[in-house]
Amino acid sequence: IAGITQAPTSQILAAGRRMTLRCTQDMRHNAMYWYRQDLGLGLRLIHYSNTAGTTGKGEVPDGYSVSRANTDDFPLTLASAVPSQTSVYFCASSDGTGSGGEQFFGPGTRLTVL
Amino acid sequence: GQNIDQPTEMTATEGAIVQINCTYQTSGFNGLFWYQQHAGEAPTFLSYNVLDGLEEKGRFSSFLSRSKGYSYLLLKELQMKDSASYLCAPMDSNYQLIWGAGTKLIIKP
Repeated sequence: IAGITQAPTSQILAAGRRMTLRCTQDMRHNAMYWYRQDLGLGLRLIHYSNTAGTTGKGEVPDGYSVSRANTDDFPLTLASAVPSQTSVYFCASSDGTGSGGEQFFGPGTRLTVL
Repeated sequence: GQNIDQPTEMTATEGAIVQINCTYQTSGFNGLFWYQQHAGEAPTFLSYNVLDGLEEKGRFSSFLSRSKGYSYLLLKELQMKDSASYLCAPMDSNYQLIWGAGTKLIIKP
């Protein structure tokens, strides 16, 4: 069982380019999340999905979009990358509330926008 | 608003005990998580508290006081591999985790 996988592991991207970060989980979790983590700051929620077919905006959604066509996949798209989007991006999933709200994280994607 | 407060950095000696404090303000409360994050890696789950009191799990214990908006993580018999960041994350009324910036723990021999 792989848990959560993310691709690519790292990427250098020219400003203005479009980029999709992939996230797949095999735990059949209902909820999935995208975070960015910058040095000295906590994890900041970009977008989330409580169940397949629904998505919601987090704390820092501008410049990003997501889709949730099925339970397993939750891609994050940067329509036109800017240098301020240089960060480490983590995808996570959880199944339920309370202690079931434990989030399982993917290994992260390190993105550099030049 | 929602706010998490943890010390930025702490230093401790191998074999010793360290307590990492966290105070929080959230819109509603559905428990509090502690995660460990080694440099360059993803966060991993350590503990979950929903009721007041102490939860013990091996060398790690976590305490919660809901009335005070306060939690701490206690690490005993520190090992070099415990050098990491420790993230406090209460769950709000929407079952979203609110993340603090984390406490970087440095263990010295």
